[in-house]
Amino acid sequence: GQNIDQPTEMTATEGAIVQINCTYQTSGFNGLFWYQQHAGEAPTFLSYNVLDGLEEKGRFSSFLSRSKGYSYLLLKELQMKDSASYLCAVGNAGNNRKLIWGLGTSLAVNP
Amino acid sequence: DAGVTQSPTHLIKTRGQQVTLRCSPISGHKSVSWYQQVLGQGPQFIFQYYEKEERGRGNFPDRFSARQFPNYSSELNVNALLLGDSALYLCASSLSTGQGARNEQFFGPGTRLTVL
Repeated sequence: GQNIDQPTEMTATEGAIVQINCTYQTSGFNGLFWYQQHAGEAPTFLSYNVLDGLEEKGRFSSFLSRSKGYSYLLLKELQMKDSASYLCAVGNAGNNRKLIWGLGTSLAVNP
Repeated sequence: DAGVTQSPTHLIKTRGQQVTLRCSPISGHKSVSWYQQVLGQGPQFIFQYYEKEERGRGNFPDRFSARQFPNYSSELNVNALLLGDSALYLCASSLSTGQGARNEQFFGPGTRLTVL
């Protein structure tokens, strides 16, 4: 089957570092995406990993281990505006190249 | 340059009615995907269209249908509305159907559908 797991909720303090984990099981793998979604808004693209390793982009980094079916999103120097839902999505290979989405992790950043 | 646009932004319908949602992709993008997002959950894939052809379909009943026009805009139709169809309907465009950094999906603001 196809399944993506990520924690439902996380809380962190402004200025701290937080790691949001995502594990997946899919029939074929064609890249993993992280999206940010603020309440009432559409998801916005954060990162993409298709090879093992760490991708860094400013305060955000994303890691992938294909053998473990595991990824994490690392947010540094947290700001209040980082309070949002973080969605992990996996692209499956094959003719139906849809994205399989996790339920999202709701992150609350406190002062 | 304009992003993905969707209309209407909000819609209220009653059970049994039909609804049409519209989406215009980013200029140059040829692929449009439709998602249903229920509050507190991630987006659920409904359809993907590329060059006016259906390239992917999710686990939704036949009451859901879509099409893509020569200008790459798209419509999502839902017939015989049920209370459970109440959700945010998101449209996303990408350059093509393949997955990859170059083909990340850009989302529109969504249409909030309420079925009473």
